[in-house]
Amino acid sequence: QSVLTQPPSASETPGQRVTISCSGARSNIGSNIVNWYQQLPGTAPKLLIYSNNQRLSGVPDRFSGSKSGTSASLAITGLQSEDEATYYCATRDDRLNAWVFGGGTKLTVL
Amino acid sequence: QLQLRESGPGLVKPSETLSLICSVSGGSVNMSSHYWGWIRQPPEKGLEWIGNIYHSGSTFYNPSLKSRLAMSIQKSKNEISLTLSSGTVADTAVYYCVRGLVGYRDFESWGQGARVTVSS
Repeated sequence: QSVLTQPPSASETPGQRVTISCSGARSNIGSNIVNWYQQLPGTAPKLLIYSNNQRLSGVPDRFSGSKSGTSASLAITGLQSEDEATYYCATRDDRLNAWVFGGGTKLTVL
Repeated sequence: QLQLRESGPGLVKPSETLSLICSVSGGSVNMSSHYWGWIRQPPEKGLEWIGNIYHSGSTFYNPSLKSRLAMSIQKSKNEISLTLSSGTVADTAVYYCVRGLVGYRDFESWGQGARVTVSS
């Protein structure tokens, strides 16, 4: 059971918009920045969004992150087949004194 | 271009110690602006943070692994090492070496990962 809660799966058709949620608590998302990681099939994860809403250099502006209270979300617009991956949110948890990840959301582009 | 390469035995017997090395190229482990760490991913599961180490040698471990975990930094070799004692089947995972920018970009760079199986 992950400290951060993500839906296990999401799907949408090419060109559409999808949002992936990440729910936490005051001790984690509520107190710290959130990062998002993308893991393409068979590869290592890579940082996509840091500090809640900053895109890493080279990440298309179709990807955006936001945070409100104890929840965060990743939005992808203009979906493309190459966006098919598993997406993880992550942050520090002050109560656990550890970095924690969401369980991951597997995105399928139909 | 920073490259992180994990290496170590792919098979460890239960109760034995799991040891991995992260070789760093294209960057120095002796930079105060960055930290180094390990993250693992059991088969078909999500990511678990293991611990971080800073250029000073100070460490920050996952409390759930702390009693079995040791990380060190070898500046002369530009390497980071991980040892996890008393291995169990639950330690079977792909182990990733990561680098983060202190206070700004967590786990911004990742190695390709090293698969470790704990089995008799």
